[in-house]
Amino acid sequence: KAGVTQTPRYLIKTRGQQVTLSCSPISGHRSVSWYQQTPGQGLQFLFEYFSETQRNKGNFPGRFSGRQFSNSRSEMNVSTLELGDSALYLCASSFYADTQYFGPGTRLTVL
Amino acid sequence: KQEVTQIPAALSVPEGENLVLNCSFTDSAIYNLQWFRQDPGKGLTSLLLIQSSQREQTSGRLNASLDKSSGRSTLYIAASQPGDSATYLCAASMNYGGSQGNLIFGKGTKLSVKP
Repeated sequence: KAGVTQTPRYLIKTRGQQVTLSCSPISGHRSVSWYQQTPGQGLQFLFEYFSETQRNKGNFPGRFSGRQFSNSRSEMNVSTLELGDSALYLCASSFYADTQYFGPGTRLTVL
Repeated sequence: KQEVTQIPAALSVPEGENLVLNCSFTDSAIYNLQWFRQDPGKGLTSLLLIQSSQREQTSGRLNASLDKSSGRSTLYIAASQPGDSATYLCAASMNYGGSQGNLIFGKGTKLSVKP
């Protein structure tokens, strides 16, 4: 069974731009969660989607948004990028509320 | 608010040694607790998941325990190998309004196993 895939793997953007990251969960998994990882703050929860509905949201500004499609694929969008948004963005999928399986991440650099 | 702490931040051991990584959490009302490893620049690999009703889980050379009353979990690695070198993260899952997909992570323990 294929694992969680994330595209693109690397992105370089400039301040003020917006970016969209994509995540394809393991087949059959309905829950997708997104996390931001930085050296200073570690791993922080962004949001969780289940069956196209956002179930939970972390403490991030409204510039961070996401959605989930009927095939469980998910996208997250960051508008008006800031230097501090440079991070590794990880998504994870699970069947319901069990083990979360992580993708390889998207490395976002904001210049 | 749940907080997860991992001590030490870094650990270096010789090959073959048995070792214990520690994780503590402030809110005992966890749904489950998971241990992950992360290799440099990579995503997270799930190692073990312990449900709140369980005391321990084992997989190969790994054994994870959970003590909700004291707010602690440990990851025991037997007969360590250089390939075990990685950052180990523990994460607590809480039940917020029916959602358990919010993992709260510790900062990790960076393990180095010397040949």
